[in-house]
Amino acid sequence: GQNIDQPTEMTATEGAIVQINCTYQTSGFNGLFWYQQHAGEAPTFLSYNVLDGLEEKGRFSSFLSRSKGYSYLLLKELQMKDSASYLCAVRDHMLTFGGGTRLMVKP
Amino acid sequence: EAGVAQSPRYKIIEKRQSVAFWCNPISGHATLYWYQQILGQGPKLLIQFQNNGVVDDSQLPKDRFSAERLKGVDSTLKIQPAKLEDSAVYLCASSAQTSGWGDTQYFGPGTRLTVL
Repeated sequence: GQNIDQPTEMTATEGAIVQINCTYQTSGFNGLFWYQQHAGEAPTFLSYNVLDGLEEKGRFSSFLSRSKGYSYLLLKELQMKDSASYLCAVRDHMLTFGGGTRLMVKP
Repeated sequence: EAGVAQSPRYKIIEKRQSVAFWCNPISGHATLYWYQQILGQGPKLLIQFQNNGVVDDSQLPKDRFSAERLKGVDSTLKIQPAKLEDSAVYLCASSAQTSGWGDTQYFGPGTRLTVL
């Protein structure tokens, strides 16, 4: 079976840094994805990790530790438009999503 | 490049009625997925097609849900009859690689279904 856990909600201040954690227990592993989803919109791809380590892409970075079943998404220099849900998803033979973390960025 | 198209965007029906959703994937994408996303939850895969064949439909409630992708391009998802618990957003996604293990999945805007 698949089990993916991430915090339900987080709040952070504009300009700050926030880290969204994701832990997973899956029968197989072929990569971990992070998606951003604004309210009422479709998920959009942010990052993909298949090897251990940090992947950096502008203000967003994602980290993976396969031995620990752990990933995080790091958002730097937060902007109001970053208020959204962030979905962690693990792929084995299919993509399984966590429940999402709703991030609220305050002025 | 055009994205994944879905219609309708919104649908309100009464329980026991039937409803159908349509999806047109990104041009050239071999793999197509239908997801159900209940409010406050992550998307749950219902069915995965590779070209016009079903790769995985293990989470599709087959007593009421059906899907097809006859020509390996666009797809329809049908619910008959609908139940209250089917109220959700139905997302279609596509990916390029024919393996189905695929690279990144790209999502359409979704159809928000409300069952009264």
